Amino acid sequence: AQSVAQPEDQVNVAEGNPLTVKCTYSVSGNPYLFWYVQYPNRGLQFLLKYITGDNLVKGSYGFEAEFNKSQTSFHLKKPSALVSDSALYFCAVRDIGGTYKYIFGTGTRLKVLA
Amino acid sequence: DAGVTQSPTHLIKTRGQQVTLRCSPKSGHDTVSWYQQALGQGPQFIFQYYEEEERQRGNFPDRFSGHQFPNYSSELNVNALLLGDSALYLCASSPRTGLNTGELFFGEGSRLTVL
Repeated sequence: AQSVAQPEDQVNVAEGNPLTVKCTYSVSGNPYLFWYVQYPNRGLQFLLKYITGDNLVKGSYGFEAEFNKSQTSFHLKKPSALVSDSALYFCAVRDIGGTYKYIFGTGTRLKVLA
Repeated sequence: DAGVTQSPTHLIKTRGQQVTLRCSPKSGHDTVSWYQQALGQGPQFIFQYYEEEERQRGNFPDRFSGHQFPNYSSELNVNALLLGDSALYLCASSPRTGLNTGELFFGEGSRLTVL
């Protein structure tokens, strides 16, 4: 079965420092991987996706993610964190069978400290 | 261009009652999925609708049912509410033509509290 794991419940980083939010996956076949962000009392917003191609994917708000097949990881990164990046981040994998069923991780709360 | 809209935003019910949540997809989208997000958890897939039929279902009991209308809007119904049904219910829409690579567009959710 497809699954993703986010090993950190919370990540703290100082404003201006680089940030990394970790995600590992387990899939059958080629993975379709996504990152979403959720602000308090809001729905999820799409950040970026990996389908195929370049292992470094660039997304919204300056975020990027690195797909690593050998380590089955898809870590979210940003070179310089902003206080406004503080939110809940979810990694997700699309289920097999060509559907829109997505399997989400448990989320990582990012706190950027001023 | 309106995004995904959901109603109501908040509601409180008691155990045993029934609830209906509504969703209008983003313009141009014809596929609607529903997710349940319990407190402190990631969203869990309930089911997906397109062409007015349920196409795929997650591990949710039959108390959870849905409907899609000709204008692509959708309803989620939950019968015989349990305390454990308290959650944020998220609607997500997508175009079928983007099936192989498409991301989900989420509404802001309906927060259900069951007392």
